[in-house]
Order: sequence, then C-alpha cells, then structure tokens
Amino acid sequence: TQLLEQSPQFLSIQEGENLTVYCNSSSVFSSLQWYRQEPGEGPVLLVTVVTGGEVKKLKRLTFQFGDARKDSSLHITAAQPGDTGLYLCAGDTQGAQKLVFGQGTRLTINP
Amino acid sequence: DAGVIQSPRHEVTEMGQEVTLRCKPISGHDYLFWYRQTMMRGLELLIYFNNNVPIDDSGMPEDRFSAKMPNASFSTLKIQPSEPRDSAVYFCASKTGTSFGTQYFGPGTRLTVL
Repeated sequence: TQLLEQSPQFLSIQEGENLTVYCNSSSVFSSLQWYRQEPGEGPVLLVTVVTGGEVKKLKRLTFQFGDARKDSSLHITAAQPGDTGLYLCAGDTQGAQKLVFGQGTRLTINP
Repeated sequence: DAGVIQSPRHEVTEMGQEVTLRCKPISGHDYLFWYRQTMMRGLELLIYFNNNVPIDDSGMPEDRFSAKMPNASFSTLKIQPSEPRDSAVYFCASKTGTSFGTQYFGPGTRLTVL
C-alpha cells in the first residue's frame, strides 16, 4: 500500500512569515500533485510535478519534487490570510488516473 | 461552464436507511471518481470509472456500498443499510483521459448517519 505522509498536520503562523510543508513516501510516484481545499468545497489542483528534481513556482508558492520522486515540498513566501486552507499532496503511479492522498496540512495564516 | 455537480449537498439520515448520492461530471470527461473524506482517514478513493465502466473498486469499504454509472453524465453512490461510521463528506471528481490531467472535484455531499 502506497502511503503519503504530510508534515506538519497543523500550522498556524503570522502573516508575512515563510513556511514549508512536506510530503514524504517510501514509494516512487510518476507524478505528485498539490491541492488546496477550503471549507465546504472540494480540493482544487494547484500544481502537478512530474520530473525528479522539478521545481515549479506559482506566485509566492514554490513546489519541488524530490530527485527520487518519493517526496515533495511546498514553500510559501510571505504568507497571507488568503493562503489559509487545507493543503493536500497526492501521488500516482498510473498516469494520475488513480491518486493516493496525504492526510493534509491545515494551514492558518493570522493577520 | 458548470463544474462537477453533486446532490444533495447535505444528507441526514437514520441508521439502517438507504442513502443515494448523485454526481454529474463535467461534460467530455472520461473518468469519474468517488472519494470519502473524514478527519481520521483523510481523503480516500472509493471507486473510479472510465467510460462508464468501473475500473477499480478496491476502496469500497464493504458490500453495503455500491456505485453505478449508467451513462456519461450521471453516477450514483448508494449505501444500504447506512451506519453511523459512514458519516463523512463524499466527493465526486472527473477528468479527461490525459495523463497527469487535472481532477476536478465537486462541492461534496456531507452525510450524517444518526
């Protein structure tokens, strides 16, 4: 069974601070996706990383796929209250037709 | 364009009753997924379909759960009989057949079994 472990599970920081969320596994994935979920809504895809070592940036968010394609990180620079939400990583081994999700990191940015 | 549509948004029922959750995927999408989300277990894949055919139902917890996709624009997830431990938010998602393509999630159905 493929498992993805996210850390930390909960994070509460002040506006303007930087943070990093980690997603780790002992399994190799062909791709890793990051989603953000807000209360009462479904997850929304932020990014997909496919190549080992790949780095993608989305404004203040930086995503990295580990060289061995077993782990990933999400770094947020100068966090804002609008970044508050549940962040989920998801990995696949079959071209993203079937995803395994991590438990999520619940992020709160305080003004 | 309309996204994935789920109904009802909220369902409260009593233990032992039958519950049917409904999903309309995005038009043109080949894949449809049913997930369950709880605080304890996170987001779990229950079953997924490709071109209306069930491909993998290994996540369906037990025989009380069944899912159908009679056509490309409609799917149901049925629980009979329901139990309190089935209380969760159930999501439907759809995507095209493109590798690494985006899964688009519906707003979810919050099920409470008393």
